[in-house]
Amino acid sequence: GAVVSQHPSRVICKSGTSVKIECRSLDFQATTMFWYRQFPKQSLMLMATSNEGSKATYEQGVEKDKFLINHASLTLSTLTVTSAHPEDSSFYICSARSAGGEADTQYFGPGTRLTVL
Amino acid sequence: GQNIDQPTEMTATEGAIVQINCTYQTSGFNGLFWYQQHAGEAPTFLSYNVLDGLEEKGRFSSFLSRSKGYSYLLLKELQMKDSASYLCAVMDSNYQLIWGAGTKLIIKP
Repeated sequence: GAVVSQHPSRVICKSGTSVKIECRSLDFQATTMFWYRQFPKQSLMLMATSNEGSKATYEQGVEKDKFLINHASLTLSTLTVTSAHPEDSSFYICSARSAGGEADTQYFGPGTRLTVL
Repeated sequence: GQNIDQPTEMTATEGAIVQINCTYQTSGFNGLFWYQQHAGEAPTFLSYNVLDGLEEKGRFSSFLSRSKGYSYLLLKELQMKDSASYLCAVMDSNYQLIWGAGTKLIIKP
């Protein structure tokens, strides 16, 4: 099946620093990638949807200047948490939908655990 | 390698019971999750099992057998709104989520 990777798998940083998380589709081209946050045992919260070559669409309440998303190619999307604070500590998960794929088929990445001290 | 298997698609009748199976092979185990995802929406958390046995939550129950690398999600008194994809995910020893491809459940009247 389709594989989606994320890097790094976990990161610890100091408050005020910026952290970049990469999401890659390894064996297919992803026209659309989604970024989620997950708190323990809770539903995934959609943060933004990114389409290759265009600006990301952010969900209500998600600061686009704080969570920068770049979908530069059909296999890579990045999420940069700028000036991270302890409340940004969370599990960030990306997913990808392949070009020509069904609207309800997404492939999920393994997640990146961010801890902001 | 790490692997999660679940059926691609299942069909059931409104009011009936359906069981969605999930088998896994992972490096370590820190719990198994079930999510429901309607088309175009984010996955909704249904259950988390880390110990063997059955966890019941209303119409939904989830079962885990760690020795067999097996879980199932049981849905009772099916309603049309239960038509969705059901995702099985295992958290491995590195606290990374390994995802199944999802089971598309179709409910017929």
